[in-house]
Amino acid sequence: ILNVEQSPQSLHVQEGDSTNFTCSFPSSNFYALHWYRWETAKSPEALFVMTLNGDEKKKGRISATLNTKEGYSYLYIKGSQPEDSATYLCAFRFGNEKLTFGTGTRLTIIP
Amino acid sequence: DAGVTQSPTHLIKTRGQQVTLRCSPKSGHDTVSWYQQALGQGPQFIFQYYEEEERQRGNFPDRFSGHQFPNYSSELNVNALLLGDSALYLCASSPYHPNYGYTFGSGTRLTVV
Repeated sequence: ILNVEQSPQSLHVQEGDSTNFTCSFPSSNFYALHWYRWETAKSPEALFVMTLNGDEKKKGRISATLNTKEGYSYLYIKGSQPEDSATYLCAFRFGNEKLTFGTGTRLTIIP
Repeated sequence: DAGVTQSPTHLIKTRGQQVTLRCSPKSGHDTVSWYQQALGQGPQFIFQYYEEEERQRGNFPDRFSGHQFPNYSSELNVNALLLGDSALYLCASSPYHPNYGYTFGSGTRLTVV
């Protein structure tokens, strides 16, 4: 059984502060790591697809890093804004198998 | 360009009934994956369709079945509904290549009473 674990489960951050959270996954047979943002009453939206050890990707104030050898990825948000409030999901693919999701980190930005 | 469209958005069914959920993928996408999200959990993989065939399947009973049509749209069928089937059902489309991110629909909220 492949487990993708995300921590923390939930997080409250003051507007303007920066934050980060973690996704842990099995390090063997790695193929790809996805990050999604899921705002309430909307569809999950793809943020990043990362495939190479040491990958760093950035989209505006959001960035992600990947360490496939130790099996973790970090998502960073710089200068949090109220619109960043969402659940952030990571998903792991090994080989050519299905995408397995974690339970997500629920982020709330306090104005 | 329309994204992924799912219908219906909500429905209520009685135990033992059957239900069909529908999904139209994003234009240009040929692969459809279905996920179930129960309260407090991450999306759980049900199955994936490509070229009108089920390519991969998660740990769901045979009561869950699907279909993909030549226009790439897809249906998820659940027979003999149980209370535990109450969940949000998400459809995601993508190109078949595994390095692409998924485009999700807004989901169908199924309540079984």
